[in-house]
Amino acid sequence: GDSVTQMEGPVTLSEEAFLTINCTYTATGYPSLFWYVQYPGEGLQLLLKATKADDKGSNKGFEATYRKETTSFHLEKGSVQVSDSAVYFCALSEGQGAQKLVFGQGTRLTINP
Amino acid sequence: DTEVTQTPKHLVMGMTNKKSLKCEQHMGHRAMYWYKQKAKKPPELMFVYSYEKLSINESVPSRFSPECPNSSLLNLHLHALQPEDSALYLCASSQHSAGKDLDTQYFGPGTRLTVL
Repeated sequence: GDSVTQMEGPVTLSEEAFLTINCTYTATGYPSLFWYVQYPGEGLQLLLKATKADDKGSNKGFEATYRKETTSFHLEKGSVQVSDSAVYFCALSEGQGAQKLVFGQGTRLTINP
Repeated sequence: DTEVTQTPKHLVMGMTNKKSLKCEQHMGHRAMYWYKQKAKKPPELMFVYSYEKLSINESVPSRFSPECPNSSLLNLHLHALQPEDSALYLCASSQHSAGKDLDTQYFGPGTRLTVL
């Protein structure tokens, strides 16, 4: 079945550091890929998405590129802020219409001032 | 506007109580979802409604009973829950269309449920 693997956390960085959170996936077809962020005590917010190979999703300084050849969708940000501290989930869905989201385990990110 | 609202924000109930969680969206989405999230874990899908009909039930125990009264509203009725059912319950919605780009799921803030 489909699966998503994220880098183990937690990740702790200093403000203005470069961030990479690795995400790889296994899928039978051509999934859509997502990054969601969950701030403490809140629900999930869509951060960015990509629906086909070589698409780049971007939002709030975060970027991720859909790499079919390496089955990856790594999240990057050039300069993190304390407010970026949260849990980040990589996810995929296959097919069209109402489909199950398959999540990675989540990566807890803490940014120190 | 991509807002999904959920009420209540917090709920404490005993194992013999009956309660309901409510989810609402006014984005015209025709697919709605219930997820359960335990601490430090990703969300797990429970149910999916497509055009107000139950399309996916991930083998959820019958003490959880979903209901979709109309295209904007989704309920989760709870009865005889166990302490291990304590979790964050998340609702989501998506447009449900023929285009992959339109099937993004948008989540509500969740209801934090504690079963005593």
